[in-house]
Amino acid sequence: EIVLTQSPDFQSVTPKEKVTITCRASQSIGSSLHWYQQKPDQSPKLLIKYASQSISGVPSRFSGSGSGTDFTLTINSLEAEDAATYYCHQSSSLPWAFGQGTKVEIK
Amino acid sequence: QVTLRESGPALVKPTQTLTLTCTFSGFSLSTSGMCVSWVRQPPGKALEWLALIDWDDDKYYSTSLKTRLTISKDTSKNQVVLTMTNMDPVDTATYYCARMGNWGPFDYWGQGTLVTVSS
Repeated sequence: EIVLTQSPDFQSVTPKEKVTITCRASQSIGSSLHWYQQKPDQSPKLLIKYASQSISGVPSRFSGSGSGTDFTLTINSLEAEDAATYYCHQSSSLPWAFGQGTKVEIK
Repeated sequence: QVTLRESGPALVKPTQTLTLTCTFSGFSLSTSGMCVSWVRQPPGKALEWLALIDWDDDKYYSTSLKTRLTISKDTSKNQVVLTMTNMDPVDTATYYCARMGNWGPFDYWGQGTLVTVSS
């Protein structure tokens, strides 16, 4: 089974700062890595698909990169509304897996 | 537009069987490549994938929970049903259903239903 490990677990950031979250897979998953944003008491929302593909309606400050085992979610110029927990998810092979989440707090 | 909605009991007793229904609209589970999954999230914890059913009625389960889970679909009613046997307090969580197309991302999610396991 593939295990996804995110880092850091928690990040406190000032507005307009750049945020970088990494997700490492225990084996190569190609580009089958997706990112979600979950705000308190809300369902997860798809942010980035297949490592770097943008999603309609998602602000352009969100971007993704990587392939194989190492992936990155970048939030350029953080805004207050970006306070949330971010999860990566692999769909390369069953069983699907999620990372443990990275909570982003606004200072 | 695509919507999914979970329904089921808010409270179950230990050892009981949980039955959850996902009712969806805006797509058909008989369309090639379409899938519906169940994902859960204990309070304050991470997302955990549970089960998937695809357009061809193939079913897949979490390794750790496969002996307790059953997923099924009723295409005519646009519903997917998940049963989980022998419920325990550690199964207390918000349960989500989500759509997946062509083994890709979960592009639409339900609002989730909180299930508490307590005597």
